[in-house]
Amino acid sequence: GAGVSQSPSNKVTEKGKDVELRCDPISGHTALYWYRQRLGQGLEFLIYFQGNSAPDKSGLPSDRFSAERTGESVSTLTIQRTQQEDSAVYLCASRQGILSSYGYTFGSGTRLTVV
Amino acid sequence: AQSVTQLDSQVPVFEEAPVELRCNYSSSVSVYLFWYVQYPNQGLQLLLKYLSGSTLVKGINGFEAEFNKSQTSFHLRKPSVHISDTAEYFCAVSMNYGGSQGNLIFGKGTKLSVKP
Repeated sequence: GAGVSQSPSNKVTEKGKDVELRCDPISGHTALYWYRQRLGQGLEFLIYFQGNSAPDKSGLPSDRFSAERTGESVSTLTIQRTQQEDSAVYLCASRQGILSSYGYTFGSGTRLTVV
Repeated sequence: AQSVTQLDSQVPVFEEAPVELRCNYSSSVSVYLFWYVQYPNQGLQLLLKYLSGSTLVKGINGFEAEFNKSQTSFHLRKPSVHISDTAEYFCAVSMNYGGSQGNLIFGKGTKLSVKP
């Protein structure tokens, strides 16, 4: 597609429920990133995919968070047993190549609210 | 480890005035530097980036930034702002050692508010 697509754009869930967030990167972009943006905060790195492998999961805040990617396509971020502190905007970005000189293209994000 | 500091969380300015958004970074290795803009309810859009060469880089929407290695700074400037420049601006850094995964480390952002 023309850009990075994320769905849903907004999600309200009850504490304790599981949620799944989806990211469709730009076609041909091999690298994919998930970030979390809490209100009034900068972007917090969660996980990085190169193809369908995840060489860096260091940013996942707890074992309730997991992510997977199918080939060089869609990625899903799953949060189990959601907590109120999980409320944030979750941003996905993709990048054309492995070199860090390429810029990221970001999606519009999923705004997650845990009530 | 790398870090990025954006010294001002909010910058109010009048339309047509100049603006400078400050960014300092720390890193033990060579870096690439980026500025992103986030308009309300949208994702981040790349404004400009410094990879190598000329320390003054020009981006979209009339913005420019200057890389200063000795001061480890990458301040963003615009000589005359418009109402439409109202947004949040993020400075980011990634390590430059060729073939790296290139995680971007972001600052906490600066909210630019342009008033008529």
